[in-house]
Amino acid sequence: EDQVTQSPEALRLQEGESSSLNCSYTVSGLRGLFWYRQDPGKGPEFLFTLYSAGEEKEKERLKATLTKKESFLHITAPKPEDSATYLCAVQAGVSGGYQKVTFGIGTKLQVIP
Amino acid sequence: DSGVTQTPKHLITATGQRVTLRCSPRSGDLSVYWYQQSLDQGLQFLIQYYNGEERAKGNILERFSAQQFPDLHSELNLSSLELGDSALYFCASSVKPRGASGRAINTGELFFGEGSRLTVL
Repeated sequence: EDQVTQSPEALRLQEGESSSLNCSYTVSGLRGLFWYRQDPGKGPEFLFTLYSAGEEKEKERLKATLTKKESFLHITAPKPEDSATYLCAVQAGVSGGYQKVTFGIGTKLQVIP
Repeated sequence: DSGVTQTPKHLITATGQRVTLRCSPRSGDLSVYWYQQSLDQGLQFLIQYYNGEERAKGNILERFSAQQFPDLHSELNLSSLELGDSALYFCASSVKPRGASGRAINTGELFFGEGSRLTVL
């Protein structure tokens, strides 16, 4: 069974204090690894897709990296508006329009001014 | 705005009742997914439809059912509600057909609606 484990569960940072969130996964035949951001009471918002080990993607203060067993979301000089829950998800297998996507529980990030 | 619309946004009902949640996917998206998110729990996959047909089932209870209509909107029906069914229910869509061939584009990205918050009292 596909598994996604995120750590830490919660992270509190001072504004400007860089850190990383971890996502480790066990999946048969990884098709893609995704990072989403979720604000309280809202639906997850897509951030990145990573397809193969060694791949990196960047968006503003966020940078996602992928190895064969885990992914990191690096947050550089975070601002209070980066406060949210960050979800990691893996896609295993696709046939036609069917894609099995498994989500982790997420890391709740709080950035303090 | 993801382009996915869910109604109602909030719903309060009593145990034993039945409710219907509605989802309109992004224009042209063929797949609709339903997820349940309870307090302090991750997104739990319930069911997926692709172009009107059921494609995958996750942890969906027998009391729950869904369908996708010819216009691609979807409904999730929850019956004999229990207190534990209180949760946020999200709909997501993906997969657009490409050009004249109609071959589907599958990038794996999901576009989520704002969710329907169900409270069972």
